[in-house]
Amino acid sequence: DAGVTQSPTHLIKTRGQHVTLRCSPISGHKSVSWYQQVLGQGPQFIFQYYEKEERGRGNFPDRFSARQFPNYSSELNVNALLLGDSALYLCASSLVPGVNQPQHFGDGTRLSIL
Amino acid sequence: AQKVTQAQTEISVVEKEDVTLDCVYETRDTTYYLFWYKQPPSGELVFLIRRNSFDEQNEISGRYSWNFQKSTSSFNFTITASQVVDSAVYFCALSENTGTASKLTFGTGTRLQVTL
Repeated sequence: DAGVTQSPTHLIKTRGQHVTLRCSPISGHKSVSWYQQVLGQGPQFIFQYYEKEERGRGNFPDRFSARQFPNYSSELNVNALLLGDSALYLCASSLVPGVNQPQHFGDGTRLSIL
Repeated sequence: AQKVTQAQTEISVVEKEDVTLDCVYETRDTTYYLFWYKQPPSGELVFLIRRNSFDEQNEISGRYSWNFQKSTSSFNFTITASQVVDSAVYFCALSENTGTASKLTFGTGTRLQVTL
């Protein structure tokens, strides 16, 4: 079975631009979460979606937004990119939201801002 | 707020040595879950283990073992007879229920380098 898939793998943008990152969860998983991982740090929670509804949001500015589609795939959008947005963006899926649910991660999208 | 501390930034060992990665956590929740993930250079976080706060039994899976001690808020990970393929960054994480969502709080990771 396919794992969590993310696209694109790498992306280079300039300051002020916007970007859309995509994620397809493991088949049967209905919850998708997004994390940002800055070099040398652990991943930081951005969003969690379940059944197309936003269930939680981390401490990120409104420039970050996301949505989940009826097929449970998800998009993360970032507007007005800043140099500090350079990071590995990880998508994770789980059957449902829940503290006991292991989250399974994709390979991530490496975003570089010039 | 929850917090996970991995004090060891980087560890280097020679193949076949045993190595222990430390994890200390802080939480006010009485029910919580702890996780370990492995991140190879490819970037994907690979799920290794989940432990709930009510189960303090140590767990062994092949060369991997985990020691959960609630009294010291620690959840340490030991690799026995390390191999070059174990080289990666290892993250300890704590699952938090925010009311409507569940999020993982990660430590800063420990980079393990296993050499021949």
